[in-house]
Amino acid sequence: SAVISQKPSRDICQRGTSLTIQCQVDSQVTMMFWYRQQPGQSLTLIATANQGSEATYESGFVIDKFPISRPNLTFSTLTVSNMSPEDSSIYLCSVAGGPRSAEEQYFGPGTRLTVT
Amino acid sequence: QKEVEQNSGPLSVPEGAIASLNCTYSDRGSQSFFWYRQYSGKSPELIMSIYSNGDKEDGRFTAQLNKASQYVSLLIRDSQPSDSATYLCALSGDMRFGAGTRLTVKP
Repeated sequence: SAVISQKPSRDICQRGTSLTIQCQVDSQVTMMFWYRQQPGQSLTLIATANQGSEATYESGFVIDKFPISRPNLTFSTLTVSNMSPEDSSIYLCSVAGGPRSAEEQYFGPGTRLTVT
Repeated sequence: QKEVEQNSGPLSVPEGAIASLNCTYSDRGSQSFFWYRQYSGKSPELIMSIYSNGDKEDGRFTAQLNKASQYVSLLIRDSQPSDSATYLCALSGDMRFGAGTRLTVKP
């Protein structure tokens, strides 16, 4: 499976500011995703990061708040813009593709964001 | 939008017992089913995939799929305290996860 890294691993930010999270994969992958996991909750899909085109956002998530870049097949960024305390969460990137199914997902270690 | 339902638990079993985790889904067209394990403070990791009706065994883990009844389950035999985690099921197609079931195995 792919090795996925995320930076930063955690951050504390002030409300109104923005944070960009980086996701790096050690091999080329077609499918990359961004999830949010709030304390005690399951994973919520934010968007699919598409290489060379605009990300595909899920209901309730918009590009102005969560702009995503995907410049190549190994790298993506998620920006959390104009943050509020409600954005405090763990943000996870994942890639899909395994030996049996293109939909097996592998996750990065996550970025723990606290907004004060 | 496909629905994935899990009993959020928590589920508590004694060490050595069988833990049974269940997931029901709404989309009859779903073809692939996945179980992920998430330890506290860690990211999810894939532990089982199942694609056809019946049972699939991998060590102490058995995934069971019944497409007619639209459920998939995960059995953990000889449960160990190290199995204590949240278990998430997911379906093919839309990359969404169930709410997860928190399992505690008591020594």
